[in-house]
Amino acid sequence: EIVMTQSPATLSVSPGERATLSCRASQSVSSNLAWYQQKPGQAPRLLIYGASTRATGIPARFSGSGSGTEFTLTISSLQSEDFAVYYCQQYNNWPSMYTFGQGTKLEIK
Amino acid sequence: EVQLLESGGGLVQPGGSLRLSCAASGFTFSSYAMSWVRQAPGKGLEWVSAISGSGGSTYYADSVKGRFTISRDNSKNTLYLQMNSLRAEDTAVYYCATIMVVVVVAATPAGYFQHWGQGTLVTVSS
Repeated sequence: EIVMTQSPATLSVSPGERATLSCRASQSVSSNLAWYQQKPGQAPRLLIYGASTRATGIPARFSGSGSGTEFTLTISSLQSEDFAVYYCQQYNNWPSMYTFGQGTKLEIK
Repeated sequence: EVQLLESGGGLVQPGGSLRLSCAASGFTFSSYAMSWVRQAPGKGLEWVSAISGSGGSTYYADSVKGRFTISRDNSKNTLYLQMNSLRAEDTAVYYCATIMVVVVVAATPAGYFQHWGQGTLVTVSS
């Protein structure tokens, strides 16, 4: 069974600075990886799919990179509305076809 | 605009049953695989079940296999989750979501969750 590990668990960053979130897969998932943002009391929102493609309406300050087992979500200049929990999800490996990471909480420094 | 509206959550005793519904609008429902994803209080996201666009194929997480049944009525644009033999550990917000299928491995489709509903809370407690 594939395991998705996100780091760090909590990231403290000041508004306007860059945030870098990591996601590691226990085995290769090719580029079949998505990132989601979840704010308190809200449903998750798709940010990135295919490891690096922004979903419709997602600002350009969000970017994804990586392939295989190592992935990164970068937010270039943090806005107040970006402080949230971020999840990665792989969709490559059978039978664990929909596996999420445990999440990274991005908080204001 | 895609809209997904879950309903049917509530308080149920251990061993009881509940049926969740997800009313879809703004897209061609029958063309999309659909899924249920849950989130226990203060915890992360967990995939629960998925169903093909036609409803002919269904998939379950090991944690719910044999207890939960996913189904859909394409004439009503509605997705369902029948939950039986409920346990305390099933307590969670249940979200329905559209699946953008990207890969098929061992006849199992998978992809990312493109659109999400607002969720419905299921509490299993005596």
